[in-house]
Order: sequence, then C-alpha cells, then structure tokens
Amino acid sequence: AQKITQTQPGMFVQEKEAVTLDCTYDTSDQSYGLFWYKQPSSGEMIFLIYQGSYDEQNATEGRYSLNFQKARKSANLVISASQLGDSAMYFCAMREGRFGQNFVFGPGTRLSVLP
Amino acid sequence: DSGVTQTPKHLITATGQRVTLRCSPRSGDLSVYWYQQSLDQGLQFLIQYYNGEERAKGNILERFSAQQFPDLHSELNLSSLELGDSALYFCASSEGHSLEQYFGPGTRLTVT
Repeated sequence: AQKITQTQPGMFVQEKEAVTLDCTYDTSDQSYGLFWYKQPSSGEMIFLIYQGSYDEQNATEGRYSLNFQKARKSANLVISASQLGDSAMYFCAMREGRFGQNFVFGPGTRLSVLP
Repeated sequence: DSGVTQTPKHLITATGQRVTLRCSPRSGDLSVYWYQQSLDQGLQFLIQYYNGEERAKGNILERFSAQQFPDLHSELNLSSLELGDSALYFCASSEGHSLEQYFGPGTRLTVT
C-alpha cells in the first residue's frame, strides 16, 4: 500500500491565486511528521513546511500553510498568492518509525503558475 | 543554499564500473540520508547514518554501500553499475534523526 498519495499529477493556477495540493498518508504510528518539499526545474529539493502529528495548530511558513486533518490522514499544502516562481514539483513526505528513521515521499504534483 | 554539499555534480560512467558519491552535511548535523530519484521509481530512500553509525536502510541494493566518517561526511559507493542506476542521487542531513531534512544539490549519474 502507498504510504503517501498525491492524487494530482499536475495542477494549474493563475498567478496571485491560492492553490491547494493534496496529500494523504497512511501510518499506524502515533508519532510522525509530515513535510512538503519543492523541486524546481533546476533539481534541488527545497524544504517548505513541517507538521508534527501532535501539533494542534496547522503549520504556516509565509505563503505556505499545511491543512492538517489527522482523522482523515490528510496534509494538504496551501500556497497563497501564487507566483510564477512557484512553478515546480511538490512532494509530500512522511517521517515515521520509532526514531523517525522511515522517510517516505509521495509521487509529487507538478504545479504550473500561469501569468 | 541548504548548506549540504555534494560532489561531483555530474558523473558519466560505463556499465560495470564503480563510483563514489560524496556528501558533506550542514554544520552541526549528525544525520545523513541518501536518496535516489529516477523517473520510474520517484524519490526512494536508500540509507541513513547517524553520527557514524547506520541507522536505517531503505531500498538500497546490495551493489550499493555507504559510510559516514568521523568528520560526518558521507560517501555512497555504487558498484557493478547498470543502465537502470542512472538517476539523481541526493544527500540530505538533519540535526537529529527526527527533524526535517535539508537536501544537497544532488549528483546526476548517467550510466552508458
């Protein structure tokens, strides 16, 4: 079974609008962490945001926020006021395991921001 | 710039050969992770080291091995290379083994 599911292979958004990238996860651990990474065409992986399973509030980092719904096992990334530079692949990832040693990535969503 | 460095940036080699990829973690980070990113398999976790010791193993082939040295830099050794080993190899580091990881720029390996 897939540990991380990203159902949107590709997404388009108009510049300055908000967009939500979906992520659902599967784990039986009580303690885990959820991450989003951005990979532009240049190839580097850029850490965006982190949500711990015990965090009661949704994580926010500037224009990025994580919509964490624990009961649904979803951790959607919301990007507000999209910019052309946001065009990239976005990966949802989960850390689980007793020491957080299991790190699993989803297949990614390619976001294209239109001018 | 994440602070994680990887060398070389690009590597082209022939099938059957052996290569070594090098990674220097961010200052102060004790954990190093290796990942393989290919078009068909996506991003796959290979192996993790923490302060010189192997901590976790993912989908790492027996032809591949890694180590972390006392100065905390790490090397990933790939031997008996096959065409299917062509991929982008990322190293990442974290302060402990439970925090977010910061990725290096990657080494693009092409096996011909």
